[in-house]
Amino acid sequence: DSGVTQTPKHLITATGQRVTLRCSPRSGDLSVYWYQQSLDQGLQFLIQYYNGEERAKGNILERFSAQQFPDLHSELNLSSLELGDSALYFCASSLRDAKPYGYTFGSGTRLTVV
Amino acid sequence: GQQVMQIPQYQHVQEGEDFTTYCNSSTTLSNIQWYKQRPGGHPVFLIQLVKSGEVKKQKRLTFQFGEAKKNSSLHITATQTTDVGTYFCRGNDMRFGAGTRLTVKP
Repeated sequence: DSGVTQTPKHLITATGQRVTLRCSPRSGDLSVYWYQQSLDQGLQFLIQYYNGEERAKGNILERFSAQQFPDLHSELNLSSLELGDSALYFCASSLRDAKPYGYTFGSGTRLTVV
Repeated sequence: GQQVMQIPQYQHVQEGEDFTTYCNSSTTLSNIQWYKQRPGGHPVFLIQLVKSGEVKKQKRLTFQFGEAKKNSSLHITATQTTDVGTYFCRGNDMRFGAGTRLTVKP
């Protein structure tokens, strides 16, 4: 157990639908990062939050949004889902805003869009 | 924006052979981090290098940071089947290198 909790572990939904992925960071970590990993691909950075505020954006589609709540858990909302959105979505956390702290990853949510 | 380039993309070795993956940047890095992702698993932080020319070891793994702080390498001596997975590097920002997938034939 890495200390980063992601729910659900698996999600199957239809095209056009909307889903919410949840992440609880490791205790004490203030930064949360979301990554998308398509089958056998690399880690695509989506977005970062630090202590409740958006800090950096990567390749996040307009159909996707995220937020970090006062208790520091974060949610990633994916809407108007397409087949190509099927992927593993990882959440990671770290103590501070940026380097030099290593990221602790959760086990991921596997999203399948049918 | 800056992103680290990682080579090779794939590496297949016989158990007992050595393995090296490289991470290169066009700009100077303040630090570099290495992660390992086992098949079906999530990335796990291995180590961070900060100083120019720094070398760190973890058992059979040797990590180096170049003198110019623009490149780094991860070397595994005498690979074992437990080394199988994808090794990622990460530079100054939140983006990761594309990863090197290592397979080991027993």
